[in-house]
Amino acid sequence: EPEVTQTPSHQVTQMGQEVILRCVPISNHLYFYWYRQILGQKVEFLVSFYNNEISEKSEIFDDQFSVERPDGSNFTLKIRSTKLEDSAMYFCASRIGFSGEAFFGQGTRLTVV
Amino acid sequence: KNEVEQSPQNLTAQEGEFITINCSYSVGISALHWLQQHPGGGIVSLFMLSSGKKKHGRLIATINIQEKHSSLHITASHPRDSAVYICAVETSGSRLTFGEGTQLTVNP
Repeated sequence: EPEVTQTPSHQVTQMGQEVILRCVPISNHLYFYWYRQILGQKVEFLVSFYNNEISEKSEIFDDQFSVERPDGSNFTLKIRSTKLEDSAMYFCASRIGFSGEAFFGQGTRLTVV
Repeated sequence: KNEVEQSPQNLTAQEGEFITINCSYSVGISALHWLQQHPGGGIVSLFMLSSGKKKHGRLIATINIQEKHSSLHITASHPRDSAVYICAVETSGSRLTFGEGTQLTVNP
């Protein structure tokens, strides 16, 4: 069964460093998302991406964050200068169309120290 | 007030019991999703509903659009059903807004 793949599964970084979280969405999907879940809290929307541009972003997704689809398969989330409060599980998701089942990756646990 | 409220927050059942998890929402939606999150953290989609009822194996999901309410039922529960069950809604756009989740523990 096709799946969304995220790498790495766990990343530890020092405060102020840049991190790039990687995702390979399902190949025929057109809509891509990043969500995050701070430990003990609910999952929150960060950004959606369609047709090589951001279609929607939340208030969390400030100038420190950026997304890119550098080639036909990868979808990346970059945090420019990490803060302690960026520590969370980051989930990538993809959908075949605007409405439809959402497929999630296994997540990347980011720890900022 | 959260846009998506789930109840109960925690649920403990004995193997074989019938389980119901409820979700209420306060906004107009285009669809509602039920998701499962295992201890390792991964999220799996169970159902996407915009009306009526869906069934997959021992899982049944229903939605009442007029009452802004959905339920997830598990028949003949099993310890492997132990997980966090999350309700999420789509409003405008295709983003999902998540509930807090229901931690289900099924004891043998």
